[in-house]
Amino acid sequence: AQKVTQAQTEISVVEKEDVTLDCVYETRDTTYYLFWYKQPPSGELVFLIRRNSFDEQNEISGRYSWNFQKSTSSFNFTITASQVVDSAVYFCALSSGANNLFFGTGTRLTVIP
Amino acid sequence: GAVVSQHPSRVICKSGTSVKIECRSLDFQATTMFWYRQFPKQSLMLMATSNEGSKATYEQGVEKDKFLINHASLTLSTLTVTSAHPEDSSFYICSSSGGAETQYFGPGTRLLVL
Repeated sequence: AQKVTQAQTEISVVEKEDVTLDCVYETRDTTYYLFWYKQPPSGELVFLIRRNSFDEQNEISGRYSWNFQKSTSSFNFTITASQVVDSAVYFCALSSGANNLFFGTGTRLTVIP
Repeated sequence: GAVVSQHPSRVICKSGTSVKIECRSLDFQATTMFWYRQFPKQSLMLMATSNEGSKATYEQGVEKDKFLINHASLTLSTLTVTSAHPEDSSFYICSSSGGAETQYFGPGTRLLVL
């Protein structure tokens, strides 16, 4: 069975603080993909990153960085120097292919100016 | 990434009526599209997988006769909520992967059934 756990339901930070959103996953597949999506108040899901199970290199994109650790089945997401525009619900998701995208319950991030 | 559109973005209807939601892939051929439902402050739940030219595959607990899916072309899938009731009020969002590993989502449709 596949499962994604985002233990943090809501997080509030003050602007310019760094924040890490946790994601822990479970799967029996040897090949799988991990994703992060951002859902702003408008509702649209914005794709942020995809990582496959064979690539444990951490990735940085501007203020965003991701830490993938297979040993702990985690795929954490860090926003550096947070901004008010970062306020949204962030979903971590798991897939074993193009189908069956399993979402976590999401973490609502509020950045206070 | 791929561009997916949805129409309408918001719809209010009376109980008992049917509502059709369109999902279009704008820059790629989508042999497979996915329909999700999201209740307030909850995660996305897959309702069905829509396959071009064949019947949709519904997830357990989703009534296929209530949520009719038609995927007649490579760029359009429609979801019709038949005889809608207030409990069907939700945010419906479609996605497509274009055959790749990443699903790209439409902007969603907010349905309110009075």
